[in-house]
Amino acid sequence: LAKTTQPISMDSYEGQEVNITCSHNNIATNDYITWYQQFPSQGPRFIIQGYKTKVTNEVASLFIPADRKSSTLSLPRVSLSDTAVYYCLVVWGSSGGGADGLTFGKGTHLIIQP
Amino acid sequence: DSGVTQTPKHLITATGQRVTLRCSPRSGDLSVYWYQQSLDQGLQFLIQYYNGEERAKGNILERFSAQQFPDLHSELNLSSLELGDSALYFCASSVAGRDSNEQFFGPGTRLTVL
Repeated sequence: LAKTTQPISMDSYEGQEVNITCSHNNIATNDYITWYQQFPSQGPRFIIQGYKTKVTNEVASLFIPADRKSSTLSLPRVSLSDTAVYYCLVVWGSSGGGADGLTFGKGTHLIIQP
Repeated sequence: DSGVTQTPKHLITATGQRVTLRCSPRSGDLSVYWYQQSLDQGLQFLIQYYNGEERAKGNILERFSAQQFPDLHSELNLSSLELGDSALYFCASSVAGRDSNEQFFGPGTRLTVL
């Protein structure tokens, strides 16, 4: 599986847009990019998944350039409750999570201030 | 609420002991995954079961074992416990074959080994 690199921590203010970039230089053709969010002492929660270009859902957008060697998770108008750890994962196939466990890195500690 | 339940929520025991952690997946999910999260190792995949059969193994110690029962609930058995086994243990479930890598995590069991 491709190794991912993301910032250890970031901070921002309420109401701002936050972009977290993840590098995955060795991503393979069948790999998808998946992001999870984790609050302290809780299990991770799926945020979004994409293969290329842009994916948007009710909580975030995921931008993936044509070479797919990086991706950016965009959180619009963050609030204090968005303070959490965000994990970027590269997984095999669109349902690869059904075949293997997820490999989590250190994640990005996002701190939102008032 | 992810729909995945785990019991107990907290468990305190002594070194050398054996414990069993229990997980009930979301209704309809056939895959169950176990993860360990400790401060120094982060979130690590241990093992996956699919419809009663072991499907994938991660960084699971030989002292640890798991099984999935016909009703699809799963148990993780940890034996000869050591101080370093103190961690949060998460169970997750998914419907294998879906067009997504979304796994649903339970609230976790916090194990403290004294």
